[in-house]
Amino acid sequence: GAGVSQSPSNKVTEKGKDVELRCDPISGHTALYWYRQRLGQGLEFLIYFQGNSAPDKSGLPSDRFSAERTGESVSTLTIQRTQQEDSAVYLCASSLGQGVTYEQYFGPGTRLTVT
Amino acid sequence: KNQVEQSPQSLIILEGKNCTLQCNYTVSPFSNLRWYKQDTGRGPVSLTIMTFSENTKSNGRYTATLDADTKQSSLHITASQLSDSASYICVVANYGGSQGNLIFGKGTKLSVKP
Repeated sequence: GAGVSQSPSNKVTEKGKDVELRCDPISGHTALYWYRQRLGQGLEFLIYFQGNSAPDKSGLPSDRFSAERTGESVSTLTIQRTQQEDSAVYLCASSLGQGVTYEQYFGPGTRLTVT
Repeated sequence: KNQVEQSPQSLIILEGKNCTLQCNYTVSPFSNLRWYKQDTGRGPVSLTIMTFSENTKSNGRYTATLDADTKQSSLHITASQLSDSASYICVVANYGGSQGNLIFGKGTKLSVKP
């Protein structure tokens, strides 16, 4: 079946502009995660959604970052007033449930470059 | 502080050779340890998941070991192939934490040369 998809695959934007990244999880997966991967660094957790529960936003680095999810489907990550340090690959993952025993399936990521 | 450290940072081997990647962690309480393979420009793909009671788990030419006492894990790749060239990421899951409960290492970049 279809895996996790993300769009766009690449995004180049000017400093100060807003960007919106999209994630389509695997159908039926109730949990969805966003991560940031800077060059040469490990993945950093940003936010996760589980069903209709309030999202865990503890990883968002600043109030310029926000994310929404419609039910158990598409999610969008929005970065306002982008800065050069926001340049990174943004990965989305989904899983059947939220919990440490569930496998996370990752999308291919969106490479964001802020000039 | 929950941390996962991997070594070496990068590794170059010849096709057909074996190699072992290391992972040390300080994550508590521990739930499970995962190894992921990340090809360039792709998302990570799971290779193995091991719980506290598992010492070894294999997935084809990949064999992961876990020593929960010393908090160390290794990933052994046998008879390497060019397609094994990728970053290998060690991930430790903990109970009750935020951050989605997964702590990621920075990865070991493996290059397999013909």
